[in-house]
Amino acid sequence: DVKVTQSSRYLVKRTGEKVFLECVQDMDHENMFWYRQDPGLGLRLIYFSYDVKMKEKGDIPEGYSVSREKKERFSLILESASTNQTSMYLCASSFRSAGNQPQHFGDGTRLSIL
Amino acid sequence: QKEVEQNSGPLSVPEGAIASLNCTYSDRGSQSFFWYRQYSGKSPELIMSIYSNGDKEDGRFTAQLNKASQYVSLLIRDSQPSDSATYLCALMWGGGNKLTFGTGTQLKVEL
Repeated sequence: DVKVTQSSRYLVKRTGEKVFLECVQDMDHENMFWYRQDPGLGLRLIYFSYDVKMKEKGDIPEGYSVSREKKERFSLILESASTNQTSMYLCASSFRSAGNQPQHFGDGTRLSIL
Repeated sequence: QKEVEQNSGPLSVPEGAIASLNCTYSDRGSQSFFWYRQYSGKSPELIMSIYSNGDKEDGRFTAQLNKASQYVSLLIRDSQPSDSATYLCALMWGGGNKLTFGTGTQLKVEL
């Protein structure tokens, strides 16, 4: 079974803090993704990576950065947390292919910014 | 921008009935489609994928794809209370295997 592990299920931080969310997968997947999920807005792609040290912006990259130093690990960084970044954050991974490999999700991190 | 539309529901069906969940999309170039199930407070879980026009069956689930009409649907036969969840439709496009998700349909299976 695919295992995508996110470092925290719940996290509370303060406005202005630098926040790190970690994601590790054990399936040797090339692709890794970070989403946020908000009621009524669905899942929105923040950043994705298709290889080590490679990254591309998704639909809502503002206020976020990412790091992928090792194939199995993909980190999301909130440079200066703001209250509008309170959300559920989901990491996913998949094989790189011609376009039929599904993404597998971690359990999510519910982040609250106070 | 790729668009995926789903009725948010809730869709209520009695136990044992067939639940029909629908999804329309805007990009004719999309090739792969996925249905995910998401229980409240949990992460999405893949239940079906479909790539070709027609039906694909897996147990109580059947996915249907019609590329000419740009819709994909999910049928759940013999619905159980444990099927109560939000069902997300997603299409895959472009390089990097990116997915665009609909906002989901909430299904409630009532005793």
